[in-house]
Parts: sequence; structure tokens; C-alpha cells
Amino acid sequence: GESVGLHLPTLSVQEGDNSIINCAYSNSASDYFIWYKQESGKGPQFIIDIRSNMDKRQGQRVTVLLNKTVKHLSLQIAATQPGDSAVYFCAENIGSNYKLTFGKGTLLTVNP
Amino acid sequence: DAGVIQSPRHEVTEMGQEVTLRCKPISGHNSLFWYRQTMMRGLELLIYFNNNVPIDDSGMPEDRFSAKMPNASFSTLKIQPSEPRDSAVYFCASSLVQGQEPQHFGDGTRLSIL
Repeated sequence: GESVGLHLPTLSVQEGDNSIINCAYSNSASDYFIWYKQESGKGPQFIIDIRSNMDKRQGQRVTVLLNKTVKHLSLQIAATQPGDSAVYFCAENIGSNYKLTFGKGTLLTVNP
Repeated sequence: DAGVIQSPRHEVTEMGQEVTLRCKPISGHNSLFWYRQTMMRGLELLIYFNNNVPIDDSGMPEDRFSAKMPNASFSTLKIQPSEPRDSAVYFCASSLVQGQEPQHFGDGTRLSIL
């Protein structure tokens, strides 16, 4: 996985706004992608996944967009709430390989 | 639904002591993973089991680390002897099948070695 280190990208939004969290992946052979949410003191929580045969997938208040041409993944959160404040990780996988490659993570802060 | 269950949630011990972390995967999942998370290195895969068999332990830092999965519902990660640089949060995750399915994580064990 990638190192989070001390340079975690941050996104600060107002409650009720829409949030967009971006992720660039490096391996053009990756065909399965996952978004995780990690709150302080907890483990990564599965949010939504998408396979490479799709460009868009929607869940409850969340949408994942996949642009394979530029190897870009985004997570859109509608009507962001204070409870959405967390670190968000994207992860990629190839075929039946068990190894997930995690992105650096983005810290989302929702201001009331 | 019961998720991945890890124990203990917190462990503080002195260097040189043996540490045992425990994990109960989601029932029916046949893949189990142990990760370590630190601020500097992020999430690192330590070891992967499939159907209770260790498949890849290349991420295990040293011989001081060992992991077992005696049955489909239980796994342990042991550190003996422990060192201060082992301090981190250790996560267990499980998935239904290998690849193309999300891994589901427990809430981790925060380990502090003094």
C-alpha cells in the first residue's frame, strides 16, 4: 500500500454540500476498485465498489465514477453530513489477485 | 450482521514480551488478511490466508512475527519478542472469495510496546 505519511490530502466542506474525493491509480491492468471510509479509532469500512466494465455506480448518497482512459476514480458524496468526516481510501485490484493496492487517503472534514 | 471481530482493542506491554492478537472473520468468508497501519507507511499487508492455509507471508517483517489459522473462524498474529518499533494498529480483514470482492476490516488492535 501507499504511505499515508504526514502529507495526507485534505478536503474541507460545509454540511449539506456535495463532496468529491479523487484518486489516481497507476496500473492500467486494474479492473476492480473499492472505496473505504476510515473513522478515527476504527477499521476501514467498505463503502462502494466498481468493476472496470462500468463507468459509474451509485449507492446511498454516494456515487463512484471510473475513467479508465486517464486512470482516475472519484467518490461523490451528496449532502455531506458531519458523520461523513473521515479518511477515505481508494483501493485497486487485478483479476483474482488477493492483493489490494491502497491509495494515500484523503481526510474529509465536514463543517457544521 | 457480525463483522470481523478483533481482540484485544488495545494492548500495552513492555518490550520483550509476547503479544497475541486475535481475529474472528465473517462467517463464510474463506480469505483472511492481517494488516499493519502506521502514519508513515499506511496499510501494509502482513499475511494472507485462503481456506485456512497461509498463501503469502512475504509482508511479515521478521521471524518474530508468526500467524496461524487453526480453523475457518479464528486466526492469531503473534509477536515474540516484541519491540517498540512494532507499535502500530493491526487490522484483520476477511473476504468471501479471493479477488473481485471487498475485504471487510475489523476495528483493529492498537498495540503499544514500551
